[in-house]
Order: sequence, then structure tokens, then C-alpha cells
Amino acid sequence: QQPVQSPQAVILREGEDAVINCSSSKALYSVHWYRQKHGEAPVFLMILLKGGEQKGHEKISASFNEKKQQSSLYLTASQLSYSGTYFCGTVTGGGADGLTFGKGTHLIIQP
Amino acid sequence: GAVVSQHPSRVICKSGTSVKIECRSLDFQATTMFWYRQFPKQSLMLMATSNEGSKATYEQGVEKDKFLINHASLTLSTLTVTSAHPEDSSFYICSAIQGPTSKQYFGPGTRLTVT
Repeated sequence: QQPVQSPQAVILREGEDAVINCSSSKALYSVHWYRQKHGEAPVFLMILLKGGEQKGHEKISASFNEKKQQSSLYLTASQLSYSGTYFCGTVTGGGADGLTFGKGTHLIIQP
Repeated sequence: GAVVSQHPSRVICKSGTSVKIECRSLDFQATTMFWYRQFPKQSLMLMATSNEGSKATYEQGVEKDKFLINHASLTLSTLTVTSAHPEDSSFYICSAIQGPTSKQYFGPGTRLTVT
């Protein structure tokens, strides 16, 4: 079952914050976040493996609520380079399974 | 970081011909490789899971006789699109993992256009 991402799209001014949500109807083993720019392959952002885990990388961080089967990606003080489509990919069965991706969230950062 | 390459990056072929796409893990041995397909303005869809030395596992709706996967070694998996048709035109992306809790390392993708 495909995870549900929200919002579908968001337009921000440089320096503003954004939150992208990913929810699943199935129990999650892990959640992976990627950013994809037009015509390119997805670029890995982070993987979350445990319930309640939160990770951060510079101004991008994420949380994973295993009980709620949800994950959120936080972008703070957004930069122009953050523009792209963000996908969450979920693994439900086990660690060696392929990812089921959400439909993506289009993020546009304006100067 | 681990690098995954794909070849070719772009291919145009005539309807009815077959096309082979290679996916290589350059600096690590991949226990498992995955093949995804992405149509324009859509998300990535998992096509199949490939383990070295065993038959690939295909997702529901993916024709295994049309999309042949061979995983000859721990660093190479190939996807052959047989008797390609225009509706097979898509962006094909592979990924590889080192272990069950590893992140998936994606290749740069192959854009297939069938005329």
C-alpha cells in the first residue's frame, strides 16, 4: 500500500520552514526520505529505523512515530537548492525489501 | 559513500526490439538490488527485487517474461526489456543495499524511449 504524503505541493520563500508528512496504513519497518530534481535520480536524505527516532542533517531533520505509522520531514530556513520533489519510501516487511514510495511533495523555493 | 552506476544513461530503440540496462555497485557488494520505474510526473514504482544467484521477485502487475532480470554477481544486475513498446518508455532506476538495514543507494537512472 502506497504511503500518503502531504501536502502535494508547497511554495515557500527562501528562509521559510516546511514540513512534509508521510503516513502509512501498515506497520513500518523503516522510512526513507529522498529529494529528486527534474530528470535526475533521487538523492538520499535520511533513513529512520526505530519508533520515535529523530534524525537531523544540517537544516533538514525527520521524525518517525512507529506507533502512528507516520514520519515527518522538517526543512528549516529553506534554501533555493531545496527545491524539488520529496518522496518518502517505506519498508513494511523487513529490512531487505524494496521501497514503496509516496506520490511525492513538490517544493518550490522562491528568492 | 557507496556508488551505483547504470548504463546506458539514455537509450532510444524501435518498437519490438530488446534493450538491456546494467546496474553496478562500484565500491561495495550488494546483497540485494532493486529495479524501479518512474513515468513522467509520477512516483517511483518498485518493479522487482533481485538477489545474486537466485530468481528475481516481481511486484504484482510486472510481467516477468517481459522484464528479464539477471543478477550474475554481487556487483551487477541487468534488466532486459524484451519486445519493447512505446508504453515501456520510462525512467528506469536501480538501487542496491549492502545489508538489511542499509539505505538504498540509487543509480543515476536510464531513460528509455521506444519509438
